[in-house]
Amino acid sequence: AQKVTQAQTEISVVEKEDVTLDCVYETRDTTYYLFWYKQPPSGELVFLIRRNSFDEQNEISGRYSWNFQKSTSSFNFTITASQVVDSAVYFCALSEARWTGGGADGLTFGKGTHLIIQP
Amino acid sequence: EAQVTQNPRYLITVTGKKLTVTCSQNMNHEYMSWYRQDPGLGLRQIYYSMNVEVTDKGDVPEGYKVSRKEKRNFPLILESPSPNQTSLYFCASSLHQGATNEQYFGPGTRLTVT
Repeated sequence: AQKVTQAQTEISVVEKEDVTLDCVYETRDTTYYLFWYKQPPSGELVFLIRRNSFDEQNEISGRYSWNFQKSTSSFNFTITASQVVDSAVYFCALSEARWTGGGADGLTFGKGTHLIIQP
Repeated sequence: EAQVTQNPRYLITVTGKKLTVTCSQNMNHEYMSWYRQDPGLGLRQIYYSMNVEVTDKGDVPEGYKVSRKEKRNFPLILESPSPNQTSLYFCASSLHQGATNEQYFGPGTRLTVT
């Protein structure tokens, strides 16, 4: 069964610091997808990135970057020069390309990391 | 604008009083699903639907019903709500079933059952 672990329940940093959110996953499948979502205080879920298991290139989007390492089953998310607006709960999620029913999209979420950016 | 809408956004109700949370998408998506989000547990899937008249249980279906009579709508029904169903609920849709399809989430419905 697939599993996503976000060991950091809450992280608090001062504005402009860099911060990394950890995500470790478990899957028996060789083809899978990894996601990050942001949930600001307003409550909606904002899609940040999707990465398939065959693409281990790191990705950078502005102040956001993602480090995918299959060797350690990790898909970590780094925010550079954090800002107060980055304060949110961040979810990592995994979806296997095949599934046998029950949660048919195979999307399993981690429990989330609450990121607090202090001014 | 492509979107998933949910109504109501906030609801406070009492134990046993039937309620329906509506979900509608305007993207002609085949696949729709419901999640609940609870502190320390992340999001868990309640029910999903692969197309009209095709629904199935997710990971936490007890106490919920769904229907899919039209492609765009996927209401979540609580026949007899209980306090343990107090949660934040999200509806999601994607073009087809499968991880390659991006899921679009609604804004969430915060339900309190007293």
